[in-house]
Parts: sequence; structure tokens; C-alpha cells
Amino acid sequence: NAGVTQTPKFRVLKTGQSMTLLCAQDMNHEYMYWYRQDPGMGLRLIHYSVGEGTTAKGEVPDGYNVSRLKKQNFLLGLESAAPSQTSVYFCASRPTVLGNQPQHFGDGTRLSIL
Amino acid sequence: KNQVEQSPQSLIILEGKNCTLQCNYTVSPFSNLRWYKQDTGRGPVSLTIMTFSENTKSNGRYTATLDADTKQSSLHITASQLSDSASYICVVSGNNNDMRFGAGTRLTVKP
Repeated sequence: NAGVTQTPKFRVLKTGQSMTLLCAQDMNHEYMYWYRQDPGMGLRLIHYSVGEGTTAKGEVPDGYNVSRLKKQNFLLGLESAAPSQTSVYFCASRPTVLGNQPQHFGDGTRLSIL
Repeated sequence: KNQVEQSPQSLIILEGKNCTLQCNYTVSPFSNLRWYKQDTGRGPVSLTIMTFSENTKSNGRYTATLDADTKQSSLHITASQLSDSASYICVVSGNNNDMRFGAGTRLTVKP
């Protein structure tokens, strides 16, 4: 059982380039989330999804887009990367929001924008 | 101002010693508070969850407390081990399932 898998693990981009981060979960979870983690700050929610075909904005959505075409996958896109998007990106999934179920996190994608 | 404040930012202790990490929050209404452990280069992993009616909960050498009146929680680690070196993150959820993350406490356990 792999849990939550993020690819790639590391990436360096130039300003203005685009890329897509992939998150895959094999636990049949309904909810999926994308966060960014910056030094000295708590994880901040970028976008989330409450089920296949749905997406919603989080706390810091600007400059990012997402898609959830399949239940097991949640994609995060950067259309035109900026240095301010240098961060560690974490994906998480959760079966439901009922019963105080914890989020399950991937091991992150370390992204540097030059 | 962050609705979840953790202290200290970092802590160094010797192996075998105990330590206590603090989490103060202003999230309201309150649903639950969860402590995560994040090893270097890994994603956070849930340690324990506290709901409104719970004061203390243990998970092995980890004991979490919650005072919902003062909006404070603590995570006590007993007989620390080198493998306890990690960041510990406090996450507070409101009734709408909106989760607020603290910045974490970085714990280093030295031999």
C-alpha cells in the first residue's frame, strides 16, 4: 500500500516555465489537498477537492491551477512559474471529513524557481 | 496573525530527557486539535487528535493535553530518543473542517 505518492520529488524551473505536479493515492479517499510549506510558516492550503471532478480554492490559490479527473489523482499546475513559488509542495488525502479522520500526506515535491 | 502559534520554534535536548511543546490557538468555533510529526524530507504523520471533551491522550511516549477554555495544547515527549528528532506540527480544525496549521517546533535530540 503506497499511500500518497508525489512526483517529481525535486524540480528546478526557470521563471516563466510551466509544470505539473502529480499526486496519486491508492486509498480510495474522497478528499485531496495541495499545500505549500515555507520556512517559518505553517502549511498553507492552495487548492482542494472533495471528490472526482471537483476542485476549490484554498488560502493561497493565485498562480496555481488544479484538476481531479480521476479519483485517485490530483494535479497541481504552475502556468508561469515565479520565484515566489519556490517552496515544498505537499499533497494530502482524507477519506471523509467525518469521524475526525487524519490527512495522509505524501513526502513532498521540492520546487525551486530561478 | 496566525491562528495557531507554537512554541518554542526549536528545541535541543539530550537523549533520554523529557520535553514539552506548546500550541496556543484562537480558532473558533473549535472542533479538534491534532499533532503531527514531520521527519526531515517526509510528509507529516498524525500522532494524536484531541476533541473538545478530551483533556489528555497518550500514544506511547507521546502525551497530548488540551485546555479548551484557555485554548492551549501541549505535547509531552517522555524519555526522548534520537528518532524523535523531527518537526511537530499542531493543527486546529473549526466546525467547518477548515484546518489551521502551526509553523511547527523543530526538535533535535542529541546523544
